[in-house]
Amino acid sequence: DQQVKQNSPSLSVQEGRISILNCDYTNSMFDYFLWYKKYPAEGPTFLISISSIKDKNEDGRFTVFLNKSAKHLSLHIVPSQPGDSAVYFCAASASGGTNAGKSTFGDGTTLTVKP
Amino acid sequence: GAGVSQSPSNKVTEKGKDVELRCDPISGHTALYWYRQSLGQGLEFLIYFQGNSAPDKSGLPSDRFSAERTGGSVSTLTIQRTQQEDSAVYLCASSLGERLGRGSFVPQHFGDGTRLSIL
Repeated sequence: DQQVKQNSPSLSVQEGRISILNCDYTNSMFDYFLWYKKYPAEGPTFLISISSIKDKNEDGRFTVFLNKSAKHLSLHIVPSQPGDSAVYFCAASASGGTNAGKSTFGDGTTLTVKP
Repeated sequence: GAGVSQSPSNKVTEKGKDVELRCDPISGHTALYWYRQSLGQGLEFLIYFQGNSAPDKSGLPSDRFSAERTGGSVSTLTIQRTQQEDSAVYLCASSLGERLGRGSFVPQHFGDGTRLSIL
């Protein structure tokens, strides 16, 4: 049973447009969510995060939205740039219980930004 | 360097052999994680070390897999009697700990991984 799902394996957008990457989760114990970006042959790097006490967090061109009732979060990149082309992983974590301290990752979405 | 270092970067070995993968975390990071990424898949959690606590081994796929962390720093992931399905990129990550405070969480810093190929 996959607790964090990224249902779109890939996404292609034009440079300058908005990229929207989606993530759904099933475990209501998750209270912190992170997005990582991964280039080929490199490890993932942290991009942006959001706590369950918020519904939006913005950092430059990147904004993450959290809808707790729908157990859904999304990452918006605007404007998209060719250098944003990478695999984006959604991750969720819980502050309590047996899963405290661990992050559960989705399968990733490959974003391609066309010049 | 200041980042997480993994070695070797690539490993090719024959089925049935044992392999050891090494991870040097960022100095001062108390938490260390191992993940596996098979082709086209997401990050599969394997094991988690936090300070002097007993490691969380709940993600290890079989008893052929083991890991240790010596002196709270370097970690070694060992796979015994390798199988072809063990072929994957093995990623190590470290972090300062679990949480900085209410509503915050410490992100993980990843190494570039070891690409393991079992022939």
